[in-house]
Amino acid sequence: ETGVTQSPTHLIKTRGQQVTLRCSSQSGHNTVSWYQQALGQGPQFIFQYYREEENGRGNFPPRFSGLQFPNYSSELNVNALELDDSALYLCASSLDREYGPGYTFGSGTRLTVV
Amino acid sequence: AQSVTQLGSHVSVSEGALVLLRCNYSSSVPPYLFWYVQYPNQGLQLLLKYTSAATLVKGINGFEAEFKKSETSFHLTKPSAHMSDAAEYFCAVSGGNTPLVFGKGTRLSVIA
Repeated sequence: ETGVTQSPTHLIKTRGQQVTLRCSSQSGHNTVSWYQQALGQGPQFIFQYYREEENGRGNFPPRFSGLQFPNYSSELNVNALELDDSALYLCASSLDREYGPGYTFGSGTRLTVV
Repeated sequence: AQSVTQLGSHVSVSEGALVLLRCNYSSSVPPYLFWYVQYPNQGLQLLLKYTSAATLVKGINGFEAEFKKSETSFHLTKPSAHMSDAAEYFCAVSGGNTPLVFGKGTRLSVIA
């Protein structure tokens, strides 16, 4: 079975720009959760998508948005980038809205905002 | 609501010595508990998880953790450290149908 793939691995954006990060879920999984890991911190939950609908959201502003596609892959979009958005963005796929035990994490996308 | 406190942002041990990384949790419901390892510039790898079965959980690479409800702890141990164990370790808690809440991490250094 294939694991979770995230792209790109690294990118640099300018403050105020918009960015799209992508996540392909593990084969057989229908749920994708996104986490932000700032430097020196543990990951924080952004939101979860299940069957193309947002199924839960953490304490992040509306400029963080997402999509899930019929093949269960997902995108994270961030508008009006701020310097504090610089972080490692991790996605995790699972089955049927499961959060913890069934997670498979990707390797992450490192976003730098300058 | 859930929260995690990892005691010690940095732990240093000699190669071959016992590894002990401390994690205390708070949860209003029976918790699921996890330990993840993160190597530089990589994602998270699951070491082990507690999901209300046996309280002593064995994971990969010789790690294990014991769930102690009375102490609200889930400390990670390994009898003998290897150089390859040097990494960042994260403890996390979930209420089952709630997102993972992570601690701030503990950086493990292994000295030859």
